[in-house]
Formats: sequence, structure tokens, C-alpha cells
Amino acid sequence: RKEVEQDPGPFNVPEGATVAFNCTYSNSASQSFFWYRQDCRKEPKLLMSVYSSGNEDGRFTAQLNRASQYISLLIRDSKLSDSATYLCVVRRNTGGFKTIFGAGTRLFVKA
Amino acid sequence: EAGVAQSPRYKIIEKRQSVAFWCNPISGHATLYWYQQILGQGPKLLIQFQNNGVVDDSQLPKDRFSAERLKGVDSTLKIQPAKLEDSAVYLCASSSPLRGQGNSEAFFGQGTRLTVV
Repeated sequence: RKEVEQDPGPFNVPEGATVAFNCTYSNSASQSFFWYRQDCRKEPKLLMSVYSSGNEDGRFTAQLNRASQYISLLIRDSKLSDSATYLCVVRRNTGGFKTIFGAGTRLFVKA
Repeated sequence: EAGVAQSPRYKIIEKRQSVAFWCNPISGHATLYWYQQILGQGPKLLIQFQNNGVVDDSQLPKDRFSAERLKGVDSTLKIQPAKLEDSAVYLCASSSPLRGQGNSEAFFGQGTRLTVV
């Protein structure tokens, strides 16, 4: 079993739709959580950190459930430009912070 | 602020040949990472440096891969000899210790796309 698991998708949604991705992690010692976005043939870029109380950045909302060991990303009012792969990232301290990426969830937003 | 620089952008080699990639992190970033990203997968950490010391190289295939960061700044990753399954994008990233390691953002370079034929 992979330490960080995501539904690979693809998710195909129309513009304006709301879409949600989940990510599960297996190591309870995980401390920090992030969502990265990766466009086709580009490098990953930080979308947002995920805080225990949940956090929002414009149309994006991230939530963390430590008890069930999953994080989520909600995108409201989807735009064509949201089409990308969304990578779930988990970090834990093993004598140095180890960063583990999920395989990513692909999103296609269509007009 | 200049980003993470990597070279070359693309490389095609034959199996059993050697190849080296170079990375120059963002100025002042003590932590440097090398990731391997195979098509359709998420990035896999190969090695993590803190200054010029290795923090984690548990997933580095040490029989063929090596990496160094001699002066705690730029870094090279080498593959010798290459195999077909090494075809991937090799991403370098760096992060700053100023905000603490736990929540510091990792900034990625554009990557080197390696094709082994």
C-alpha cells in the first residue's frame, strides 16, 4: 500500500461545477499537508497548505481529518484554467522532514 | 527572485551510458531535493540534502545513482549506467529553513526530461 493515495481520475467537469478530491495517508506521524498543482509538462507548484482547522483560498478549500487520515480539496466554480493534476503531499519528521507525493488526480474542466 | 535552475532540459541517451544533471537552488535555501517523476506518477524523492549533508537517500538506487552537493549550494545527480526504466523527468527542488522545515514550501525547477533508448 502506498503511503499517500489519491484517486487518479480523470475528473471531467463543466465550467462552474464544484469538484472535490480526497487523499488518504497511512502514516499517523505525518505532520504537514499540502496540495500542489502540476500543469502538463510543467513542474509542481504549491497550491495551498492544509491546516488542521481547514483553510480557504478564494475558490479553493482544503480540509484535514487526522482521525481518518485524509485530506480533501474542494474547488468551487471551476474554471477552464483549473485543468491540471492535483498532487497531495504529506510531510513527516524522520530525523529530517521527509516529503511524500501522491500520484495525483487529473482534472479536466470543459466549456 | 531567481528560481531553481536545472540543466539540461532534455537528454536522450542509450542504455548503459552515463548522464549527469545539474541543479542550482534558490539562493539561501539550505534544503535541496531530487525527485524522479515517471509519466503518470507523482514525484518520487530520490535524495534530500540539508546544506551538504544527506538527510534521506532511502529511495536512491545506489548501485547506479549518485548525487552530491559539495559546497552546500548546487548539486549534481548522476546515473551510471542508465537503464530503460530510468526514463523520467528529474526534478530538483529547494526550500528555505527560515520558516522551519515543517511548513516550508518546496520550489521546483523545470526538470530534466531523460529518455533512455
